[in-house]
Amino acid sequence: GAGVSQSPSNKVTEKGKDVELRCDPISGHTALYWYRQSLGQGLEFLIYFQGNSAPDKSGLPSDRFSAERTGGSVSTLTIQRTQQEDSAVYLCASSLAGLLTATVYNEQFFGPGTRLTVL
Amino acid sequence: SQKIEQNSEALNIQEGKTATLTCNYTNYSPAYLQWYRQDPGRGPVFLLLIRENEKEKRKERLKVTFDTTLKQSLFHITASQPADSATYLCALVDSSYKLIFGSGTRLLVRP
Repeated sequence: GAGVSQSPSNKVTEKGKDVELRCDPISGHTALYWYRQSLGQGLEFLIYFQGNSAPDKSGLPSDRFSAERTGGSVSTLTIQRTQQEDSAVYLCASSLAGLLTATVYNEQFFGPGTRLTVL
Repeated sequence: SQKIEQNSEALNIQEGKTATLTCNYTNYSPAYLQWYRQDPGRGPVFLLLIRENEKEKRKERLKVTFDTTLKQSLFHITASQPADSATYLCALVDSSYKLIFGSGTRLLVRP
């Protein structure tokens, strides 16, 4: 595809429900990132996948958050037992290679995001 | 504590003028710093990267400076146009190679 795609674009759910957000990275990109952006705030790092390495989950805010990346491509971010404070835009990005690639910078390409509203 | 700060107030300027946005950071020693543009309802788009050993980087009407002593980056748009109106985010790479983003500054260019 032409760029990173995310689905759904909008998700409204009730407090306590589980939600799954999907990210399709650019074909061939080995690195994938999830961020959260609350209203008027910067992007908050959540999780980073690089090839077959164990993901960096250091940004996940609680154990209600988890993410998978199947076959080195599509990723799903799952939020269990959603809370109102989870309401935000969830952004996915991919890059050709990961953050630890020597001196070669790898630009991150962002998807349009999923706006999650927890009522 | 570690912080990356951008002016939360919108910058409102007249078309044709130079816009200057500021990014300050504390308790980081980034190997590089980047600037992104974000339009409403869209993800950020990469604009420029500047490395710690570079003082200045230019791309068309854009110029970025990086002062590691002051711990500050300045982002300039010369001959600004209404189409430049957007939120501009700075981001730096931390010691674990993750990108840390500022909260962004909204730029409004009046025709």
